[in-house]
Amino acid sequence: DIQMTQSPSSLSTSVGDRVTITCRAGQSISSYLNWYQQKPGKAPELLIYAASSLQSGVPSRFSGSGSGTDFTLTISSLQPEDFATYYCQQSYITPYTFGQGTKLEIK
Amino acid sequence: QVILRESGPALVKPTQTLTLTCTFSGFSLSTSVMSVSWVRQPPGKALEWLALIDWDDDKYYRTSLKTRLTISKDTSKNQVVLTMTNMDPVDTATYYCARTLDNGAYNAFDIWGQGTMVTVSS
Repeated sequence: DIQMTQSPSSLSTSVGDRVTITCRAGQSISSYLNWYQQKPGKAPELLIYAASSLQSGVPSRFSGSGSGTDFTLTISSLQPEDFATYYCQQSYITPYTFGQGTKLEIK
Repeated sequence: QVILRESGPALVKPTQTLTLTCTFSGFSLSTSVMSVSWVRQPPGKALEWLALIDWDDDKYYRTSLKTRLTISKDTSKNQVVLTMTNMDPVDTATYYCARTLDNGAYNAFDIWGQGTMVTVSS
């Protein structure tokens, strides 16, 4: 199984900050990398697919980059509604696997 | 509008078999780019992908649970069923079903159900 490692596990940030979350795959997954946002008590929502494609309806302050084994999710200017947990997920091969999550907290 | 809804027991006893149903609307599982996955999340922990069934009835499972999981579909009823045998308290989690779009160039869980919490306790 492909292991996905996110960093950091948590981040204390402020509204307006630029935030970068990193995800590393245990082997090359080309661009088969997705990002999800999950708010407490809610189902995850797809933000970014294929490493850098913005899902319809997702604000343009979210962006993704990377290929191979190293990927990043960037939020250009953090908004109050962005405080949540973010997960990366590889869709290169089954069994699909998620990272352990990155929780954004208000500083 | 695409909607998925999970249903099943909220409480199961250890060693019992869990049966969850995902009922969906707004898409057909007979369309070539469509699949449905199950994902779970233990309280306070990360997401875990469990299983996937595609339009062609191909099935894929989480390695560590392969012997305990069965996924099936009823295309006419727009339902996907997941069974998990020999339930244990560590299987306590919220279970989600999610539409999985796979067009060959990418695939992702683009629409999720609201989830159903399952507690395993005697």
